[in-house]
Amino acid sequence: GENVEQHPSTLSVQEGDSAVIKCTYSDSASNYFPWYKQELGKRPQLIIDIRSNVGEKKDQRIAVTLNKTAKHFSLHITETQPEDSAVYFCAASPYNTDKLIFGTGTRLQVFP
Amino acid sequence: ETGVTQTPRHLVMGMTNKKSLKCEQHLGHNAMYWYKQSAKKPLELMFVYNFKEQTENNSVPSRFSPECPNSSHLFLHLHTLQPEDSALYLCASSQADRLGNQPQHFGDGTRLSIL
Repeated sequence: GENVEQHPSTLSVQEGDSAVIKCTYSDSASNYFPWYKQELGKRPQLIIDIRSNVGEKKDQRIAVTLNKTAKHFSLHITETQPEDSAVYFCAASPYNTDKLIFGTGTRLQVFP
Repeated sequence: ETGVTQTPRHLVMGMTNKKSLKCEQHLGHNAMYWYKQSAKKPLELMFVYNFKEQTENNSVPSRFSPECPNSSHLFLHLHTLQPEDSALYLCASSQADRLGNQPQHFGDGTRLSIL
């Protein structure tokens, strides 16, 4: 079945540094890739998403890149701040379905 | 954001109890979802409803019974649960599109503890 792998499981960076989280997916027909941020005790919140007809998308300090050939996509956070500390989940949506397959999550810690 | 509301926020129940989780969305979406979130595991999709019709049952045990009376409301009926069912149960909604999915918006979840 469909599978999404996410790495690393934990990531610690100094404030101001960049953070990169990578995901790979198994279904080559997947066409939608959202990223969610979940702070402790809170709901997952969509922070950025990308569709298969686009290779890169940026929103202020956050960017996502997609390599359809290699079936992987990445989240890039620049100039990290302590409030970026959270668990980040990637997901992929198989074509012609209304479901998301989630990665296992990355716990990001940004130290001041 | 109060687009997706879940009640109760916390629930403690014995293995022989029957309880229900409720989810309501005010976003005008046509699809609703139940997920289970356990520690150190990915979000596990349980059920999907699109226009009130169940389109996905991800091999969920029959002790979990979903109900979707309309596009705005979703219930998860619980009966004779096991300790391993203790988890955070998240509801989500989206304006599902068969050509390419739309973002899912999550509620705050119900923290379920089985004694």
